[in-house]
Amino acid sequence: QLQLQESGPGLVKASETLSLTCIVSGDSISSSNYHWGWIRQPPGKGLEWIGSIYYSGSTYYNPSLKSRVTISVDTSRTQFFLKLSSVTATDTAVYYCARHGNLYSPTDYWGQGTLVTVSS
Amino acid sequence: DIVMTQSPDSLAVSLGERATINCKSSQSVLYSSDNKNYLAWYQQKPGQPPKLLIYWASTRESGVPDRISGSGSGTDFTLTISSLQAEDVAVYYCQQYYNTPLTFGGGTKVEIK
Repeated sequence: QLQLQESGPGLVKASETLSLTCIVSGDSISSSNYHWGWIRQPPGKGLEWIGSIYYSGSTYYNPSLKSRVTISVDTSRTQFFLKLSSVTATDTAVYYCARHGNLYSPTDYWGQGTLVTVSS
Repeated sequence: DIVMTQSPDSLAVSLGERATINCKSSQSVLYSSDNKNYLAWYQQKPGQPPKLLIYWASTRESGVPDRISGSGSGTDFTLTISSLQAEDVAVYYCQQYYNTPLTFGGGTKVEIK
């Protein structure tokens, strides 16, 4: 059974870089069938796709965040990563890692999510 | 970006009654080459991640009860819960995966009347 687990600091200072890791178990992150992504949800609000990565390293970002986002993958350790630079209070959110098929597929597995609060 | 607009924002339905949620996309999400609507529905309960219910607008994910169904094509879609149960209380989101950025509707909160 596939499981995804986010990890990282729950508190980040404004202007610094948010860094999260998603640990994948129960499936190979190198599978050619899937993309691995990050989605966030501000408290009490809706869902925003941040970006996705293919095991080869090809990345796809939301243009609204593209200048600040880096998603990378470590296939040997079955992990992928999110870095979001120059954070502000508006980046406070629950961050989910997730899996979807090819880039244009529904998201079928989600991590439990981790709350990241940006403090001033 | 494709903007997804859901209505209503919330609704209260009696147990056993029908709940209907609408989702409208700012452009068609029907891909002509495969005749599929690139539209999914998710259910999110408090403190939990979203759960995939429906994809290709009307295909039920494994394990989803058949009282939950999706319909529509092009730009107008509907999620229907035919007989609301207590465990259906949640927020429901539509999502288009026709192109990037992948975008979600604002959500519809379903409660028991």
